[in-house]
Amino acid sequence: KAGVTQTPRYLIKTRGQQVTLSCSPISGHRSVSWYQQTPGQGLQFLFEYFSETQRNKGNFPGRFSGRQFSNSRSEMNVSTLELGDSALYLCASSLDRGQTEAFFGQGTRLTVV
Amino acid sequence: QKEVEQNSGPLSVPEGAIASLNCTYSDRGSQSFFWYRQYSGKSPELIMFIYSNGDKEDGRFTAQLNKASQYVSLLIRDSQPSDSATYLCAVNRPGFQKLVFGTGTRLLVSP
Repeated sequence: KAGVTQTPRYLIKTRGQQVTLSCSPISGHRSVSWYQQTPGQGLQFLFEYFSETQRNKGNFPGRFSGRQFSNSRSEMNVSTLELGDSALYLCASSLDRGQTEAFFGQGTRLTVV
Repeated sequence: QKEVEQNSGPLSVPEGAIASLNCTYSDRGSQSFFWYRQYSGKSPELIMFIYSNGDKEDGRFTAQLNKASQYVSLLIRDSQPSDSATYLCAVNRPGFQKLVFGTGTRLLVSP
């Protein structure tokens, strides 16, 4: 059974640009959550999608957005990139919402220069 | 007060010893608890989850939960150098799919 697939694995972008990251969850999983990991802040929740709808959102500015498609694949977008957006972006796949286990993809390492 | 607190470590144990990792949480509504292992430069890997008070064992790993004390722990028996990693504690509330993570405890197992 394939795991969570995130693409691309690495990205280098310039300040002011925008970026789109992709996540394909485990087959049959319907919930996709996104997290940002930095050395200073640790793992921070960005948002969760279930049935193509954003169900929960973390404390991030509106430059961070996402969506989910009918096949449960999800994308997140960051516009007007700032140096502080440099981080490991992780996607987590869960069978359903609530009390279920979440499995992470390998992440996308974003560097903003 | 942080929602999920862990000692950052490093926790150093010799090979073969028991490593004990601890985590406290502040939200009494939390009902599901997870332990992730993260090697340097890699993504977190789920190793244990527990929903009910008491102990849950899986191989060399035992998760312990005490909701009254808002405390969850992970015991690693017969620690191996390959267990050296950062261990992240995460909690979740019912109806939400929003894990709140601690900052992690770095474990070093020396041969």
